[in-house]
Amino acid sequence: KQEVTQIPAALSVPEGENLVLNCSFTDSAIYNLQWFRQDPGKGLTSLLLIQSSQREQTSGRLNASLDKSSGRSTLYIAASQPGDSATYLCAVSWDNNDMRFGAGTRLTVKP
Amino acid sequence: GAVVSQHPSRVICKSGTSVKIECRSLDFQATTMFWYRQFPKQSLMLMATSNEGSKATYEQGVEKDKFLINHASLTLSTLTVTSAHPEDSSFYICSARDPGQGGNEQFFGPGTRLTVL
Repeated sequence: KQEVTQIPAALSVPEGENLVLNCSFTDSAIYNLQWFRQDPGKGLTSLLLIQSSQREQTSGRLNASLDKSSGRSTLYIAASQPGDSATYLCAVSWDNNDMRFGAGTRLTVKP
Repeated sequence: GAVVSQHPSRVICKSGTSVKIECRSLDFQATTMFWYRQFPKQSLMLMATSNEGSKATYEQGVEKDKFLINHASLTLSTLTVTSAHPEDSSFYICSARDPGQGGNEQFFGPGTRLTVL
């Protein structure tokens, strides 16, 4: 069964701290992996998309890595800001069709 | 990136009524669209895959007669929740792939909040 797990479920950090969110998945034969941000009651904002052939993607203060062999991806957020507070979702595609989502990590950055 | 819209953004209805949610790809043609459901404090769960011109493929546990999906054009897919009940209250999000961008990345709509009284 193809599953996506995110740890931790919730994280609270002071402003300015660097942090790492973790995503693990069963079945390493993925097609791609995507990180999203979701604000309360809102839709999804795509942050980074990593193809199966890639090892990492960067956008501003965000860096996502992919290690297929171990079934893991990390989302690194540098110099966190209160505006980064949101739920971060990891989603994996195994066949360029549907996506399976993790339960998310709820991040709170305190001023 | 490509833009996907949903309408309505929020709907409140009485139990037993049917509700239609539209998902549109605004600047590309989407042969495949996906419908997800998100209950409070939970992650998104795929409900069905909608293919233009053919029947939708439903995930296990999703009633196809209750959640009717129509993908009649390359830019529009609709999800109709028939005889809605309070337990159908949820956040419904659609997504679409843009073949013009390799068809690899999914673009998500802003979601529709359904509340059934």
